[in-house]
Amino acid sequence: DTAVSQTPKYLVTQMGNDKSIKCEQNLGHDTMYWYKQDSKKFLKIMFSYNNKELIINETVPNRFSPKSPDKAHLNLHINSLELGDSAVYFCASSQRGGGGTEAFFGQGTRLTVV
Amino acid sequence: GENVEQHPSTLSVQEGDSAVIKCTYSDSASNYFPWYKQELGKRPQLIIDIRSNVGEKKDQRIAVTLNKTAKHFSLHITETQPEDSAVYFCAATQDTGRRALTFGSGTRLQVQP
Repeated sequence: DTAVSQTPKYLVTQMGNDKSIKCEQNLGHDTMYWYKQDSKKFLKIMFSYNNKELIINETVPNRFSPKSPDKAHLNLHINSLELGDSAVYFCASSQRGGGGTEAFFGQGTRLTVV
Repeated sequence: GENVEQHPSTLSVQEGDSAVIKCTYSDSASNYFPWYKQELGKRPQLIIDIRSNVGEKKDQRIAVTLNKTAKHFSLHITETQPEDSAVYFCAATQDTGRRALTFGSGTRLQVQP
């Protein structure tokens, strides 16, 4: 069974479009994250939710909006996509908010904006 | 906030040699330091971690050391094998329940057969 799964795996879209990425974890963790990995492989936190509460909101454009309908799901919606949004987006989960326990990552969504 | 620096950015070793990757962190309150391995096109996966109350931890060919005073921690891989080739990330965070991992910039390790 996949612990953290995200869909789609690949997403190619035109500038200006709106798209969503979905993430689900079946580990019973109470904290979920979105990380962005750019072309230089740098992994940067975007958002974190703990039991549906937004606890981390890094400096990202407000075109990015996370939504957590329950603690097992964390989706990412992106409005008005730009070329610079092209990256791999990873969802992750952990039992506590990032500290002290392993973060499990999804397989990533490679977003290409053309 | 936390800032993690990682060196070197690339590392090439011969099979059987040792590899060492070093990281420094800025926030003295950080107390959890995991290392992740990311193979090409795959997700990052935890390979070893260390907490601030421990100076060294070993798991087979992999070891991590932590110097809290200097705010340094290092990953040591002995007897490297071609399957060790990947990008390795160090990370740091504070165990408050409201922090995420701050990652280093990654080290691309290439093990030459």
